[in-house]
Amino acid sequence: AQKITQTQPGMFVQEKEAVTLDCTYDTSDQSYGLFWYKQPSSGEMIFLIYQGSYDEQNATEGRYSLNFQKARKSANLVISASQLGDSAMYFCAMRVMDSNYQLIWGAGTKLIIKP
Amino acid sequence: SQTIHQWPATLVQPVGSPLSLECTVEGTSNPNLYWYRQAAGRGLQLLFYSVGIGQISSEVPQNLSASRPQDRQFILSSKKLLLSDSGFYLCAWSVIGGYTFGSGTRLTVV
Repeated sequence: AQKITQTQPGMFVQEKEAVTLDCTYDTSDQSYGLFWYKQPSSGEMIFLIYQGSYDEQNATEGRYSLNFQKARKSANLVISASQLGDSAMYFCAMRVMDSNYQLIWGAGTKLIIKP
Repeated sequence: SQTIHQWPATLVQPVGSPLSLECTVEGTSNPNLYWYRQAAGRGLQLLFYSVGIGQISSEVPQNLSASRPQDRQFILSSKKLLLSDSGFYLCAWSVIGGYTFGSGTRLTVV
């Protein structure tokens, strides 16, 4: 079965520290994509970063990087030098190529940055 | 540029009343369109998706229906709302890989 697991329902992190949000996935397909989205209290879903299953290097976008460990089926999001504005819900999602581009979503992690 | 419009932003409706939420996209052709629902503090649940005009796939049997009368228009409807229909509804589109979400509609059924 295809599934995304985010085991951290909530996290508190001190401002300026780095934070790692966990995501593990389960699929038997060889071709898939992994996404991270941020959802602030306003509700909008903001795309952060994408990793394809055949990408050999970890994806990076500014302060965001994705620690992709294919053998372990994990795709953790790392936020460097956290800021107060990073406080939000974070969702990991997986797209399987033959699924009409549907996304399978994790339950999310609520991140709170402390000043 | 590619944009997605979703309205209204908030809606309070009585139980038993009808519902119509509209989503339109601009700047792209033949997108895949999706309706998601998010309960408070929870992840996203896919309700419907559409790969073309008049083509609707339902993921979860429920009190809701969807229609796609035009290529860039996706409508979520209900004939009679239930209390359990309350939630945050998000429309999204996808062409080749990336997804773009609308700003969402927060529906409260009272």
